[in-house]
Amino acid sequence: GENVEQHPSTLSVQEGDSAVIKCTYSDSASNYFPWYKQELGKGPQLIIDIRSNVGEKKDQRIAVTLNKTAKHFSLHITETQPEDSAVYFCAASKPYNTDKLIFGTGTRLQVFP
Amino acid sequence: ETGVTQTPRHLVMGMTNKKSLKCEQHLGHNAMYWYKQSAKKPLELMFVYSLEERVENNSVPSRFSPECPNSSHLFLHLHTLQPEDSALYLCASSQEGGSEQYFGPGTRLTVT
Repeated sequence: GENVEQHPSTLSVQEGDSAVIKCTYSDSASNYFPWYKQELGKGPQLIIDIRSNVGEKKDQRIAVTLNKTAKHFSLHITETQPEDSAVYFCAASKPYNTDKLIFGTGTRLQVFP
Repeated sequence: ETGVTQTPRHLVMGMTNKKSLKCEQHLGHNAMYWYKQSAKKPLELMFVYSLEERVENNSVPSRFSPECPNSSHLFLHLHTLQPEDSALYLCASSQEGGSEQYFGPGTRLTVT
């Protein structure tokens, strides 16, 4: 079955710097890749997603890139702010099985002012 | 707020107790999910209900029993749990066949 690996497990950056979180997946049939942000005491919140028919998607300060050949995708946060501090999860799912998201283990991002 | 609410937010129960977790979604979705979130482990999908029918049961022990009386409500009935069942239990909803899942805030369960 699908396996999603996420790195790093923790990431500390200075406010204003960029942060990059990477995920790899094992099943080449996967075609949907969301990213979730989980703040303390809250459930995961979908922040951006990408499908395998595009290589990059951007929404203000966050962007996601996908390399289908290498089977990896990354989350990029530019101009980080203290409120970006949270745990970020990547996930993957296959066509016609999009109810079954396979999640990575999470990255704890800390942005220091 | 995501439109998915969960109660209670915190629960402490003994191994011989019976309790229930409740989830309600106000998004008009027709698929609902239970996940277990443990420290340093990926979110584990437990159950999926689509159009009020259970379509996924990921080898979850029978001490966890889900119930979906309608498309807006989902319950997780708990009995004779073990300490290793202590975790954050998250509910999510989506449109059936859709990929975007919206999560509730979770119930922090501690089994003593």
